[in-house]
Amino acid sequence: AQKITQTQPGMFVQEKEAVTLDCTYDTSDPSYGLFWYKQPSSGEMIFLIYQGSYDQQNATEGRYSLNFQKARKSANLVISASQLGDSAMYFCAMRERMDSSYKLIFGSGTRLLVRP
Amino acid sequence: DAMVIQNPRYQVTQFGKPVTLSCSQTLNHNVMYWYQQKSSQAPKLLFHYYDKDFNNEADTPDNFQSRRPNTSFCFLDIRSPGLGDAAMYLCATAHGPTNEKLLFGSGTQLSVL
Repeated sequence: AQKITQTQPGMFVQEKEAVTLDCTYDTSDPSYGLFWYKQPSSGEMIFLIYQGSYDQQNATEGRYSLNFQKARKSANLVISASQLGDSAMYFCAMRERMDSSYKLIFGSGTRLLVRP
Repeated sequence: DAMVIQNPRYQVTQFGKPVTLSCSQTLNHNVMYWYQQKSSQAPKLLFHYYDKDFNNEADTPDNFQSRRPNTSFCFLDIRSPGLGDAAMYLCATAHGPTNEKLLFGSGTQLSVL
C-alpha cells in the first residue's frame, strides 16, 4: 500500500507567488517524521524541512513552511515568494521504523516549474 | 564544503562487468544508506548500515552488495550489471537512528552499455 502520496506530478507557479505542494501519508506508528527534499536537475537531494509527529507547531525554514494536518494525515509544503531557482523536483518522505533503525520512504515527487 | 562525497559522478560500465560505487563522509555519522533512483521515480532504499550492522531491504537484488570498512566509507558493488540497473545511486548519512535529517551526496549516475 502506498504510504506517501503526492498527487501532483507537475505544478506551475508564477515567480514571486506562493505555491503549495501536496503530500498525504499513512502510518500506524504514533511516532513518525515527515520530510521534504528538493532535487534539482543536477541530481543531489537537498533537505528542506522536517516535521515530527509530536511537534505542536508547523515547521518553518525561511521561505518554506509545512502545513501539518495530523488528523487528515497531510503534510503539504508551502513555498512563499517563488524564485526561478525553485524549479526542481520535490519529494515528500516519511521516516519509518525498521528493526534497530529507521528508513525514509519517498513519495513519487512533484516537478515544480517557476515561470518568470 | 561537501560532507557526503560520491565518486565518480558519472560511471559507465558494460553489461555484466562488475562495478563499484563509493561514498565517503566527513561527519562521523553512524548511519549510511544507499538508494537507487531511476528516471522520474522516487528513490528506493537498497540497504543501510547502522555502524557495522548491515540491513538489506527484502527486495534488493542479490546482484547488489555493500561494504563499509570504516565509519567514513561505504561501497556499493554491482556484481553483474544489467540494463535495468542504470540509475542514479544516492548515498545518504544520518547521525543516529532517528535521523531527523538525512544528508545526501550528489549521486553517481550509472549507465550500462
